[in-house]
Amino acid sequence: QVQLQETGPGLVKPSETLSLTCTVSGGSMESYWWSWIRQPPGKGLEWIGYIYYSGKINSNPSLMTRVSMSVDTSKKQFSLKLNSVTTADTAVYYCTGTSPRGRDYWGQGTLVTVSS
Amino acid sequence: DIQMTQFPATLSASVGDRVTITCRASHSIGNWLAWCQQKPGKAPKILIYKASSLESGVPSRFSGSGSGTEFTLTISSLQPDDFATYYCQHYNSNSRTFGQGTKVEIK
Repeated sequence: QVQLQETGPGLVKPSETLSLTCTVSGGSMESYWWSWIRQPPGKGLEWIGYIYYSGKINSNPSLMTRVSMSVDTSKKQFSLKLNSVTTADTAVYYCTGTSPRGRDYWGQGTLVTVSS
Repeated sequence: DIQMTQFPATLSASVGDRVTITCRASHSIGNWLAWCQQKPGKAPKILIYKASSLESGVPSRFSGSGSGTEFTLTISSLQPDDFATYYCQHYNSNSRTFGQGTKVEIK
């Protein structure tokens, strides 16, 4: 059973960079697609992007210019950076892992608030 | 890009009712569709993956069907614990798109 845990600052100032890390346990990083998803308060879910163990990235076109992701298979971690944040980026951020057979595992989420 | 249209947005039902939620894709997505349940303040919980595969530990009253562009989530007999918001999501190795959500309320 794959388990994921998001960590990172809960408060980020406008125009700065949001940074989050997801730590994976119970699964092989080489087999899964790893992604970030967010949910603004009271709203629906938005996919941010995927990263693979190879480092290949697919991002949501609406966020692509501000998103960077990385993976560290030795630490079983993958990370998200979102730059030039505004209050519209306030959300609960989830990391997920998807197996080749389509099973999808989610972290518990972490709230990031953008405020001065 | 694939767009997912989910309906209804809100559904009022009673305990014991059979409930159906529909999700429609703008283009064929095969069976790369999942359903999740979300309760306030909690992370989404996957119920169904690959359109019809029941996730481990999920009660058998939940079922998913469909392929291509039309998918349904059915709750055969609604239980008090099932009042929540449900989302469909198209996912594959390239992208992921969510439906707008269906809030299942107590009638």
